[in-house]
Amino acid sequence: DQQVKQNSPSLSVQEGRISILNCDYTNSMFDYFLWYKKYPAEGPTFLISISSIKDKNEDGRFTVFLNKSAKHLSLHIVPSQPGDSAVYFCAATETGANNLFFGTGTRLTVIP
Amino acid sequence: DAGITQSPRYKITETGRQVTLMCHQTWSHSYMFWYRQDLGHGLRLIYYSAAADITDKGEVPDGYVVSRSKTENFPLTLESATRSQTSVYFCASSVHRGVGEKLFFGSGTQLSVL
Repeated sequence: DQQVKQNSPSLSVQEGRISILNCDYTNSMFDYFLWYKKYPAEGPTFLISISSIKDKNEDGRFTVFLNKSAKHLSLHIVPSQPGDSAVYFCAATETGANNLFFGTGTRLTVIP
Repeated sequence: DAGITQSPRYKITETGRQVTLMCHQTWSHSYMFWYRQDLGHGLRLIYYSAAADITDKGEVPDGYVVSRSKTENFPLTLESATRSQTSVYFCASSVHRGVGEKLFFGSGTQLSVL
């Protein structure tokens, strides 16, 4: 049973526009959320994270929003660049746990 | 700075054979992890290790064995490979295992079991 879900397998966006990647989770015990980015033939790399005590975290062009009541988070990339084309994984965990639960990923394509 | 390296990058084996995937990190991170990536499942934790000689099961440990005699190495062994173990395997490490601790991943091993 997938505890972290990314319902959009793919997303295409024009260069310069906003990319919005969505993620839903079912476990209300999750209190920390992360986004990882993965290029072909490489391992995932950490992008940005957010604690459940916040509803927004920003890092340059990347912003993550958390809506705890809806059990939903989103990653906004503004402006999108061709180098952002990758697979993005949402992940979640809870304090004290040893596992990070990953979503199935969304493949973002930024069109020049 | 080599970071975390996995070998081999690609492996083809037959059902019933034993195969070992290697993982080596140069950061002296305490924690190491093995994940598998499958379509429709994302990444799932197989085993993790908090330090040398300390290992524990993750979400999908059946059919796998790990060891960690040295901090820098964390090999994953499939004792008798099955077709369902065809997957991409990622090793990862982290300094600690606190909430939100970033994982650093290797480039992966693509394993095909025929």
